Amino acid sequence: ILNVEQSPQSLHVQEGDSTNFTCSFPSSNFYALHWYRWETAKSPEALFVMTLNGDEKKKGRISATLNTKEGYSYLYIKGSQPEDSATYLCAYPNSGGSNYKLTFGKGTLLTVNP
Amino acid sequence: GAVVSQHPSWVICKSGTSVKIECRSLDFQATTMFWYRQFPKQSLMLMATSNEGSKATYEQGVEKDKFLINHASLTLSTLTVTSAHPEDSSFYICSASRDWVGGQPQHFGDGTRLSIL
Repeated sequence: ILNVEQSPQSLHVQEGDSTNFTCSFPSSNFYALHWYRWETAKSPEALFVMTLNGDEKKKGRISATLNTKEGYSYLYIKGSQPEDSATYLCAYPNSGGSNYKLTFGKGTLLTVNP
Repeated sequence: GAVVSQHPSWVICKSGTSVKIECRSLDFQATTMFWYRQFPKQSLMLMATSNEGSKATYEQGVEKDKFLINHASLTLSTLTVTSAHPEDSSFYICSASRDWVGGQPQHFGDGTRLSIL
């Protein structure tokens, strides 16, 4: 059973603040790490699929870094806006092969107060 | 884009009814489709993985005779909850992926809230 941990569980920030949260995952046999954003009443939206150690990906004000050797990824949001309020999920696929499956963390619930 | 449509959004029905949920990839061909269930305050729990034209692979503890999955084409998968009971009440969500190894993101439907009376 893969262990994917996210912290913190929830976070409240003020509009304009920058914030970050963590996803930890097994460092052995790494293949990829997924990040998703899940807004209330919407479907989860894919943010990033990260595969290379040291990689950094960016989408607007959101960026993510990856350390496969120590088994963690950070998600950063610069200048948070109320529309960034959502649950951010990371997910780890089992090692590449047929019929892979994602193990999801429990998510970080971000609330951005105007 | 990669759009996945899931219907219905809400179902309320009596105990003993069978309920079918559809998941369609609208603008891409999905090599693999996934069905998840979410319990309150829990993360997404994978129920089964399906590939077009082959039998679904169910996770441990998921009854395949209870949760029938059909993946008829590269754009359509269905989940049928047979003879549903109140304990089957939950949030079910599907996703679709262009690959089968995890290097591509999954694209999710909006989910189905199932309530069995």
